[in-house]
Amino acid sequence: GDSVTQMEGPVTLSEEAFLTINCTYTATGYPSLFWYVQYPGEGLQLLLKATKADDKGSNKGFEATYRKETTSFHLEKGSVQVSDSAVYFCAHRRGAAGNKLTFGGGTRVLVKP
Amino acid sequence: GAVVSQHPSWVICKSGTSVKIECRSLDFQATTMFWYRQFPKQSLMLMATSNEGSKATYEQGVEKDKFLINHASLTLSTLTVTSAHPEDSSFYICSAYGDSANEKLFFGSGTQLSVL
Repeated sequence: GDSVTQMEGPVTLSEEAFLTINCTYTATGYPSLFWYVQYPGEGLQLLLKATKADDKGSNKGFEATYRKETTSFHLEKGSVQVSDSAVYFCAHRRGAAGNKLTFGGGTRVLVKP
Repeated sequence: GAVVSQHPSWVICKSGTSVKIECRSLDFQATTMFWYRQFPKQSLMLMATSNEGSKATYEQGVEKDKFLINHASLTLSTLTVTSAHPEDSSFYICSAYGDSANEKLFFGSGTQLSVL
């Protein structure tokens, strides 16, 4: 069945460090891929997305590239800030925009000054 | 941007009682709402999908008589945990989707349920 696997946290970094969170998926067809972020006390927010192979999603300095050959959608940021401390969820969706999402387990990131 | 309000943010109840959680889309019409459950350090697990005016579609293994979902209007869906037991303690999150929300999906901030 469909699934999303992402690296377990917590990930602790110093400010300005490079961040990578690995995400791989299994799905039939060509799903859309997403990264959501959950800041403390808030709901999940869409961070970025990619809808087809080789697409790169980017937002707020974060990037992720849809790699069909490795079924991956790794999240990267070149220089993290304390404000990036949050839980990050990788997800995929098959089909139309109103269909359900399948989430990974979430990765907590803590950035220290 | 669009906002989804989920209430209450946390609730403590006694075993055997029922708890209702509300999910409202504040500035768009939500044709579809999703209810998720999250255990500590685990992923969000989809419980059910509800479309306005029709019965919810439950995921395999989710008891529909225990987790009652009502999506009576385009701005409100409710999840009622009936006869709650300690094993129902969890973090419940709703999300709402609507064409008028530019086809985006928005999440509530979640409800932490603790059953004593």
